[in-house]
Amino acid sequence: DAKTTQPPSMDCAEGRAANLPCNHSTISGNEYVYWYRQIHSQGPQYIIHGLKNNETNEMASLIITEDRKSSTLILPHATLRDTAVYYCIVRVERSGSARQLTFGSGTQLTVLP
Amino acid sequence: GAGVSQSPSNKVTEKGKDVELRCDPISGHTALYWYRQSLGQGLEFLIYFQGNSAPDKSGLPSDRFSAERTGGSVSTLTIQRTQQEDSAVYLCASSYSGRANNEQFFGPGTRLTVL
Repeated sequence: DAKTTQPPSMDCAEGRAANLPCNHSTISGNEYVYWYRQIHSQGPQYIIHGLKNNETNEMASLIITEDRKSSTLILPHATLRDTAVYYCIVRVERSGSARQLTFGSGTQLTVLP
Repeated sequence: GAGVSQSPSNKVTEKGKDVELRCDPISGHTALYWYRQSLGQGLEFLIYFQGNSAPDKSGLPSDRFSAERTGGSVSTLTIQRTQQEDSAVYLCASSYSGRANNEQFFGPGTRLTVL
């Protein structure tokens, strides 16, 4: 799976949009971009994933550049409960055995009141 | 519906003792994963179960670690002769199938402290 690069930390004011960048310049054509987050003392939580097109769900939007070398996770109206470490990963859909997740160091998002 | 549950939430044990950690996956999920996460670190894959297939044990760090999944549902991770370096949060996740783009739902974890 391709390597990703994320800033170690970001702050965002409550109620504002949080835009979390991720670089994945070595991404392959069949690799998806996934975002998970981990709130302190909890297990990781899936947020969203995409291949080429921008995606939106009830939690967030995912914007993938046309060359797919970077993406941005957008939390449209950040709340204090969105304070967490956000992980961007890229992974290929494989047939066969384990499809385990591998997280890097992620971005610590702190939403400020 | 109910999510992934794990027990105990916290376990403190003495070096050399055996421990058992339990995971109840989401009903109907055929894939089950065990990970561990040391303080400030990312996820470390341990073992993966998919349906009735032989488990993928490639992430188990030593032969002191073993896991089983009975009846395709509940799973138990056993650590024998615990060492201080085994201290970590042990996370269980399940997904509907083993396909890569099926999201994994995580339990709250078991925090293991080996004194």
